[in-house]
Amino acid sequence: DPKIIQKPKYLVAVTGSEKILICEQYLGHNAMYWYRQSAKKPLEFMFSYSYQKLMDNQTASSRFQPQSSKKNHLDLQITALKPDDSATYFCASSQERGSGNTLYFGEGSRLIVV
Amino acid sequence: AQSVTQPDARVTVSEGASLQLRCKYSYSGTPYLFWYVQYPRQGLQLLLKYYSGDPVVQGVNGFEAEFSKSNSSFHLRKASVHWSDSAVYFCVLSHVNTGNYKYVFGAGTRLKVIA
Repeated sequence: DPKIIQKPKYLVAVTGSEKILICEQYLGHNAMYWYRQSAKKPLEFMFSYSYQKLMDNQTASSRFQPQSSKKNHLDLQITALKPDDSATYFCASSQERGSGNTLYFGEGSRLIVV
Repeated sequence: AQSVTQPDARVTVSEGASLQLRCKYSYSGTPYLFWYVQYPRQGLQLLLKYYSGDPVVQGVNGFEAEFSKSNSSFHLRKASVHWSDSAVYFCVLSHVNTGNYKYVFGAGTRLKVIA
């Protein structure tokens, strides 16, 4: 059974619309992350959270907003979608935030913006 | 700046042959190093991890990697590949920088195993 659940697995959105990607982890981890993978950039770090607190943000655009309503949840809201946002978005978690902690990944949410 | 280079974007090997996927890193300290594998339409899965000790670290499914500080390398090896090993392999460096913990991913090597 997958320990990190991402929803939806696939979605098609219209340019200018807004979508929320859901991530829940059942590993009991305290750190959670969002990564993006596209044809242009293999794997791109976006955000890290530790104990529901934003720790690092490498996303230049404010259109991307992480939301942590529970310790094991880290959703990603994307507004004013653009075709360039088309990518697979991976949620990951680790026991703690720190060097050497193994990242565990979900299966991804593949977003296509038309 | 810290970086990870996987010089081979694509590698094709015959089933049963040995495999080496190369990884070079740039980091002044002692890094944590990982190899991850991504099968089609799946997330990344950990193969193995290294920080200190024996420079040869064993992983899952017969994979191993050898750390070389002098060469700044962390190459992945397997003695005999199977068709199911076809996937994308990522070398990853983990370190701390100005209080922020970073995971630096290589661009990945796409492995194709042929009959």
